[in-house]
Amino acid sequence: GAGVSQSPSNKVTEKGKDVELRCDPISGHTALYWYRQSLGQGLEFLIYFQGNSAPDKSGLPSDRFSAERTGGSVSTLTIQRTQQEDSAVYLCASSPWHSYEQYFGPGTRLTVT
Amino acid sequence: KQEVTQIPAALSVPEGENLVLNCSFTDSAIYNLQWFRQDPGKGLTSLLLIQSSQREQTSGRLNASLDKSSGRSTLYIAASQPGDSATYLCAVRKDSNYQLIWGAGTKLIIKP
Repeated sequence: GAGVSQSPSNKVTEKGKDVELRCDPISGHTALYWYRQSLGQGLEFLIYFQGNSAPDKSGLPSDRFSAERTGGSVSTLTIQRTQQEDSAVYLCASSPWHSYEQYFGPGTRLTVT
Repeated sequence: KQEVTQIPAALSVPEGENLVLNCSFTDSAIYNLQWFRQDPGKGLTSLLLIQSSQREQTSGRLNASLDKSSGRSTLYIAASQPGDSATYLCAVRKDSNYQLIWGAGTKLIIKP
């Protein structure tokens, strides 16, 4: 079946502009995660959804970052007033209910110029 | 605060060799540890998950060990192949919640 998909695969934006990154999880997966991976760094947890609720937003680096999930499916990560330090690969993962197995999408490479 | 370290950052070996990738963590109170493979443009794939009560897990040519007391895990790859070339990441879960703490990865190149 279809895996986790993310769009766009690459995004180049100017400093100060807003961007939206999209994640389509595997159908039926209740949990959805967003991570950020900067060059040479490990993955940094951003936010976790269970259904449409986000019980843990502790990883969001600033109030410029927000995320939502609708219909227990698609999620959008929004970065307002982008900064150069926001440049990274943004990864999304989903998992079934009560499973530790996270299935990752291919990521969106964001470059802020 | 849990920190996960992977050394070396990069490794290049000839095809056919057996090799070991290392992962260390600072807090031995973990729930489980996972090894992932990351291929460019393809996201991450889970390879092995070791529960805190386990010492090792095996899948095909891969064997992962866990020594909680010393804060170490190793991923052993037998008879390496060019298709094994990828970045290998380890991640620890502190408790039964979902959060993973990640190492920066080891980039492995297997030379034909």
